[in-house]
Formats: sequence, structure tokens, C-alpha cells
Amino acid sequence: QKEVEQNSGPLSVPEGAIASLNCTYSDRGSQSFFWYRQYSGKSPELIMFIYSNGDKEDGRFTAQLNKASQYVSLLIRDSQPSDSATYLCAVQGAQKLVFGQGTRLTINP
Amino acid sequence: SAVISQKPSRDICQRGTSLTIQCQVDSQVTMMFWYRQQPGQSLTLIATANQGSEATYESGFVIDKFPISRPNLTFSTLTVSNMSPEDSSIYLCSVDPGQGGNEQFFGPGTRLTVL
Repeated sequence: QKEVEQNSGPLSVPEGAIASLNCTYSDRGSQSFFWYRQYSGKSPELIMFIYSNGDKEDGRFTAQLNKASQYVSLLIRDSQPSDSATYLCAVQGAQKLVFGQGTRLTINP
Repeated sequence: SAVISQKPSRDICQRGTSLTIQCQVDSQVTMMFWYRQQPGQSLTLIATANQGSEATYESGFVIDKFPISRPNLTFSTLTVSNMSPEDSSIYLCSVDPGQGGNEQFFGPGTRLTVL
């Protein structure tokens, strides 16, 4: 079992809709969770982090964490074509980040 | 967040040669890391660059192949030694500014092609 798993997609969402990205992790002791956005040919950019169970909102982005289910998600409201990118889930374990494979998201105008 | 630069941004090298990649941060940071991102893949941690001591390598990566230096809290280098086409990849440095949340911020990356 991979330590951090994401659906690789591609995930196609119409403009203005909600995009939902999911991530599961295997280390029950993980405490910190991150979402990075990576445009093609660019380096990853941190967009959200969450440490506590529940929801954390920042503008159009909401991160959700359920430690009991070992599940992290990222919701993007009012999706824009500029949100088209690969989204990487990362989980802090043993003083290092472990990344999922990433989900490629395409927003269709 | 810290401003991170990498040199070179890209390079094309011949097999059997070595390339040294530099990572410079505009402020002192405790933790610096080196990652590899192979084409179409996610990020794999190569090693943690420790200031004043030997780097801590992840399973599958060895010092002879990827020697790392960290002479101070703002600078690190990664050398890819005796390159083969399988080393073609993007190499990224990242930093944890020590703000308490373990967030890492990435440099722009070095795109390496080995012929």
C-alpha cells in the first residue's frame, strides 16, 4: 500500500463548478497535511495546509481532514480555467513530507 | 515565505559527466531538502541537507551518486554524479522556514536531460 494515495485523474470539471480532490494516507500518526498546486513546467506551490480535524477555508479553497478515516480532501469552489493544474497531496511523517502521485485537474470553459 | 533560487534552471549533459545544482535562499532556514521529479511522476525525497554535517539520504539514494553540501543556512548544492539517461529529471530544492507548521516551499527546479 502506498503511503499517500490520490486518484491520478484526469479530473474534468466545468467552469464554475466545485472540484473535489481526495487523498488517503497510511500513517495514522501523521499530524500535518498539505496541498500543493503544480502547473505544467513549474515547481509545486503550497496552497493549503491543515493540522486539525474538520474544515479549513481560504478563499475558494477548502481543505478537509478526517484523521479517523485517514482522509484529506481539497474543494475548489467556482472553478476557473486557471485552476487547471496537478494537485499534490503531501503528508508529514517522520520529519519528512511524503507526496501522493498527484491529481491532474482540468477546468473546462 | 522565503525566496528560493536554483542554478542552473536547465541543462543538457552527456552520460558519465557530473552536474552540480545550487540552491540559494534569501533568509536563513533550518531545513533544506532535495527532491527529484521524474517525467510524469510525483516528488521523491533524495535527502535532507544538514548544515555542518553529512546529508541524510533516503532509501535508494547514496552519497556517492548524489553528494550534497550545506556550508551555511542559506545555501546548498546537489551533485548528480556519473550521469546516465535515467537521471533525466527535474531536481528541486525546498526549505522549511521553521514557522512551526512543517510547511515546505520549493525552488523553481533544475530540468536535467542526460544524453
